[in-house]
Amino acid sequence: NAGVMQNPRHLVRRRGQEARLRCSPMKGHSHVYWYRQLPEEGLKFMVYLQKENIIDESGMPKERFSAEFPKEGPSILRIQQVVRGDSAAYFCASSPGQGTGEQYFGPGTRLTVT
Amino acid sequence: GQSLEQPSEVTAVEGAIVQINCTYQTSGFYGLSWYQQHDGGAPTFLSYNALDGLEETGRFSSFLSRSDSYGYLLLQELQMKDSASYFCAVKAAGNKLTFGGGTRVLVKP
Repeated sequence: NAGVMQNPRHLVRRRGQEARLRCSPMKGHSHVYWYRQLPEEGLKFMVYLQKENIIDESGMPKERFSAEFPKEGPSILRIQQVVRGDSAAYFCASSPGQGTGEQYFGPGTRLTVT
Repeated sequence: GQSLEQPSEVTAVEGAIVQINCTYQTSGFYGLSWYQQHDGGAPTFLSYNALDGLEETGRFSSFLSRSDSYGYLLLQELQMKDSASYFCAVKAAGNKLTFGGGTRVLVKP
């Protein structure tokens, strides 16, 4: 059973470009979460999605950031007009349901904005 | 909102026991999770406590006291491979996790 997959693993963008981060949850998992981690810091919740629905986006910046989890295909975190402050590791996690505090994390995408 | 406090760093020798404390302030508490993260790696799930008491899983144990808004992770028989960052995380209403700032554990020979 493949784990959570994220791509790309490393992404370099110049200021003003768009970044698209992809996440495929574990097989059988319908809940996807995105977190951002700055160096030497904890993970900060961004958004929680189920298929075709955004359940909680309270951690998403109001501008430039969007997320989707379509009926078919991976979840996408999109950052428009990136700035240097967007440089971070972005982790995706999935879970089968709401029962426990157990989430399975992908390897992350390291975004560097130059 | 939620806030969690845990020590920033702990150093111990191989074979020792380390306890990482976590205190939290939250609304709508459901449970406390612990995750391990090696440098450059992804967080991996260690334990989840929804009820008061001690949960043991091999060399690692986790404790929760809901009345004290407090929990801890106990690492026994420390090994070099246990050098990593350990995060407590609160599961509140909804499914999202709120993470503490992490405790960096350094195991020395």
